[in-house]
Formats: sequence, structure tokens, C-alpha cells
Amino acid sequence: DAGVIQSPRHEVTEMGQEVTLRCKPISGHNSLFWYRQTMMRGLELLIYFNNNVPIDDSGMPEDRFSAKMPNASFSTLKIQPSEPRDSAVYFCASRDNRGAETQYFGPGTRLLVL
Amino acid sequence: QKEVEQNSGPLSVPEGAIASLNCTYSDRGSQSFFWYRQYSGKSPELIMFIYSNGDKEDGRFTAQLNKASQYVSLLIRDSQPSDSATYLCAVNSGVHAGKSTFGDGTTLTVKP
Repeated sequence: DAGVIQSPRHEVTEMGQEVTLRCKPISGHNSLFWYRQTMMRGLELLIYFNNNVPIDDSGMPEDRFSAKMPNASFSTLKIQPSEPRDSAVYFCASRDNRGAETQYFGPGTRLLVL
Repeated sequence: QKEVEQNSGPLSVPEGAIASLNCTYSDRGSQSFFWYRQYSGKSPELIMFIYSNGDKEDGRFTAQLNKASQYVSLLIRDSQPSDSATYLCAVNSGVHAGKSTFGDGTTLTVKP
């Protein structure tokens, strides 16, 4: 299995631009998580989906952030407009709810907003 | 008070020693507990999970859980330089609850 796939791996953009991060979960996994990691705040859960349905988005910082999961094999996290404080590593993780609760993380997208 | 707290670190131990990593959590309803390892510049990877009070051993790693004290720990025996990483404690509330809350991590350095 290829594991969780994220793209792009690195993104540099200017303040005010739209940023779209993409994630392909492990095939057969039915939960998907978006996290953000910074030195100051650690690893924070932004939103998670079960069976493509958003379950908890309480971690989404503000209306500039939105996430979608149109099907079981694809999810996006969008930031519009982006701000320098959004600079972080964004991880996507997936899990098979029918088994152990292990989450498998993707390699992350390192975002820098100038 | 943070929901999941870990010793601030950094923690440094000599090669071959036992490294002890600690974590406390605030939600008494928490059911599942996880230790992830994260190498610098990489993503977290699961080392162990534990659901019941007591010890759970896997090779050089032992997870210990005490729900009464709301405390979970990870012991690494015969520490190796390759164990140098940040260790993240994660807690799920409720059975098969989807949401994991992570601690800030403890950075471990094992010196040869």
C-alpha cells in the first residue's frame, strides 16, 4: 500500500492567495483527519471525517479554512485568503474504524505564507 | 490546563539506558491511549497503544496506564541513538471515538 498521499509537499505563497492542500487516504480507511503542526501550538486537529462526512470541525481556526471530502479517496483543505500565521506543516491521516484506532499519517505539506 | 500534558523535555539519556516518558490527561472518560514517534522533519508514526490499566510490552517499549491517576507512560529499554526523536502522547475519549488529542511532545536524545 502506498500509504497516505499528500500534495504538494511544499508550498510557498503570498499573503492573500488561495492555498489548496490535497490528501488521498489509505484505500479502505473510512476516517480522515487534517492536522496542523507548529512549534508554538504543537499538533492540532483541524477537522475529521467519517465515511466522507465531517464529524468535528471545531479545530478549524476560522472561516478562511474549509475542508471537503467528495469521495472516499480524496480530501482537500483550502485556505482562502492565506495569512503568514497559517505557515505550518499540515498533516493528513487516515484510519480504518473497523480495526485498531491507529492513525496513519501522510508525509505532510509544509506551507509558508509570505 | 491542557487536555494532554507531557514532560517538557528535552530528555537526554546515554545509550543503553532506560528512557521514561510521561503523560497526564484531564478527561476521565478517556478510553484509548497512544504513543507516536516523530523524527525531525517526518510525520508521526504509532509505536504503541494501550486501553487497559497496567503494562503493555512490545520489544524494548513498555506502555503503562493508570486511569485512576490519569497517567500514561512510555519506557524505552536499552535506548539506542536511533530512538532520538520527539514522542507524542495522544488520547481518545470514548470507545472508538474519532478524535485524538495530542500532547506537545517530549524530545528524546540518546547519546552514544
